[in-house]
Parts: sequence; structure tokens; C-alpha cells
Amino acid sequence: EVQLLESGGDLVQPGGSLRLSCAASGFTFSTHAMSWVRQAPGKGLEWVSVISGSDARTYYADSVKGRFTTYRDNSKNTLYLQMNSLRADDTAVYYCARAQQWLSGGFDYWGQGTLVTVSS
Amino acid sequence: SYELTQPPSVSVYPGQTARITCSGDKLGDKYASWYQQKPGQSPVMVIYQDNKRPSGIPERFSGSNSGNTATLTISGTQAMDEADYYCQAWDSSTGVFGGGTKVTVL
Repeated sequence: EVQLLESGGDLVQPGGSLRLSCAASGFTFSTHAMSWVRQAPGKGLEWVSVISGSDARTYYADSVKGRFTTYRDNSKNTLYLQMNSLRADDTAVYYCARAQQWLSGGFDYWGQGTLVTVSS
Repeated sequence: SYELTQPPSVSVYPGQTARITCSGDKLGDKYASWYQQKPGQSPVMVIYQDNKRPSGIPERFSGSNSGNTATLTISGTQAMDEADYYCQAWDSSTGVFGGGTKVTVL
């Protein structure tokens, strides 16, 4: 059974940093691209980033480019999102999701999400 | 930047057909996926590659994609189908979601 379990969400002050983790199980992690998707309270889904399976190519939404970094440790089956220079509008539930295909398919499995709140 | 446009809401009576559109420039040249999200839950994929259903998704969910519009159709809508629905596609190396459509079963 495919499982994705996010952790690391917290309350952080504007300008601060936070690292999210997504522990994957039930599939060959290294062969799948992974994405982060976020959802602000009461709002829709927003794609954040994608990372390829083996060579760790990454792409980011313009809203987070230069502030967020996505990386993965295939030996630990874990995906990460390093968030720096956090702003109030980064407040959201952050989901990790497995991509069916590199830059083409949809997201077939999602984690339960972890809440990031940016506030003073 | 690329945008996908969905109607904010769709209402349907039980047993009737709900159609949710998703519009984007030359969307038919891309693969569209659809997700269902119920309150307090994570999204669930209901359609991928325009018209394919993941395992476990009821046959009443179907999809199409041509020209500038992708459509999710729910045939014989049930009360359990009341949820938010999002379309999604890739524009080059950027993932894009539609704004979401709230489906209300009257």
C-alpha cells in the first residue's frame, strides 16, 4: 500500500525557515517524481514544486522560486521541502504527492498534509 | 503564466449528470487530471490522462479533453459525490491547478 506521511509543519514567524518531510512507503521511491502542493485556508490547490526520481531535477512555482528548495534522499525514501524567508501568504496545508509521469501525468497518491502557519 | 479556469460551483439533483469544465489555452494538447476533495480530506485522483479512471474510482466518473476544454462528467450523481473538484495539467515544467468547482447535490 502506497503511503505518504508529511511532517514538520509548525507556527513560524515571518522571515523564518522551516523544513517539511514526506516519508514514502509501499512503492519504489527512487523511480517516481514527487511534488509538493499547498492549500491556503479556504482556498484551492496550488502546485509548489516537482523533483525527478533519480537525478533530482527540480522546478518551482514562481511564488516560491528562490525561497523554497525541494530535495530527496532516496536511501531514506524521504522527500523534503526547505522553506526560507517565509511570508504570511505561505500559510497553508502542504501536501506531498506522487507524480505518475515526469511533467506529464497527474498525482495519484497524496499525503494527509501538514499545516504551516506564518504569523508573528 | 498558464491558467486553468473552472466554474466556482455546479449544482445537480441526485441521479442526474454533473458536468464540470476546465478551460485553458490548447488544453487538449496536454493531459488533464481531475481530483475530488471532501472537507478536511486530502485530494483524491478521479481521472488521469484525460479519461482514465484510477483503480477504485466508480464508473460514473468520466472525462474528456479537446480543444481548449477538459470536462469531468459525473453520471448518476450521488450524495457522496458532493465535494470540491480540481482539474490539473502541466504547462512545460510548471504544474497548474484550476481554481476548483464546488459540486452541490441538491
